[in-house]
Amino acid sequence: QKEVEQNSGPLSVPEGAIASLNCTYSDRGSQSFFWYRQYSGKSPELIMSIYSNGDKEDGRFTAQLNKASQYVSLLIRDSQPSDSATYLCAVAPGFYNAGNMLTFGGGTRLMVKP
Amino acid sequence: SQTIHQWPATLVQPVGSPLSLECTVEGTSNPNLYWYRQAAGRGLQLLFYSVGIGQISSEVPQNLSASRPQDRQFILSSKKLLLSDSGFYLCARQGTGGNSPLHFGNGTRLTVT
Repeated sequence: QKEVEQNSGPLSVPEGAIASLNCTYSDRGSQSFFWYRQYSGKSPELIMSIYSNGDKEDGRFTAQLNKASQYVSLLIRDSQPSDSATYLCAVAPGFYNAGNMLTFGGGTRLMVKP
Repeated sequence: SQTIHQWPATLVQPVGSPLSLECTVEGTSNPNLYWYRQAAGRGLQLLFYSVGIGQISSEVPQNLSASRPQDRQFILSSKKLLLSDSGFYLCARQGTGGNSPLHFGNGTRLTVT
């Protein structure tokens, strides 16, 4: 059974700090990795996609992928109170057209304190 | 536009009543479409997915069914709701390309009383 593990948190960081969110996965064949942000009561919103080992930066967000160690992380620089949300990690094979091939983690709740 | 329309936004239904949630999408034809449920404080549970008109795959045997009568329309139904059907129902579409992520609609919050 494919698993995607995230620490449920809450992860509490002060405003302006770097928040580091981690995700490990069990399927070595995974090739597609996604990070979603979900505010309380709202639907998940895609914030990053990463497919290759290394870092991918988009504004204050950096996704890091290490396929050998089977983990993917999300760094949020200069954290703001508006970043307080639950962050979901999702993992899939390189190409998928069947819903059961995409696996979501349980999410990490991030709290950024002013 | 890749907009996903879901309605209603909130719904309160008594136990035993029927349910129909509709999702329509704009943009690319023949999208892969998904229904997820998120119970309070829980993770995302895949309910159904569809790769085309009339093609429905069910992931969890339960009190719900889905249909795809048109290319960009995906419907979630139940004949008789249970208390355990309460939750946040999300429709999603896969982006263009076989390795693209899912994009979610705004969701329907269902409370069964």
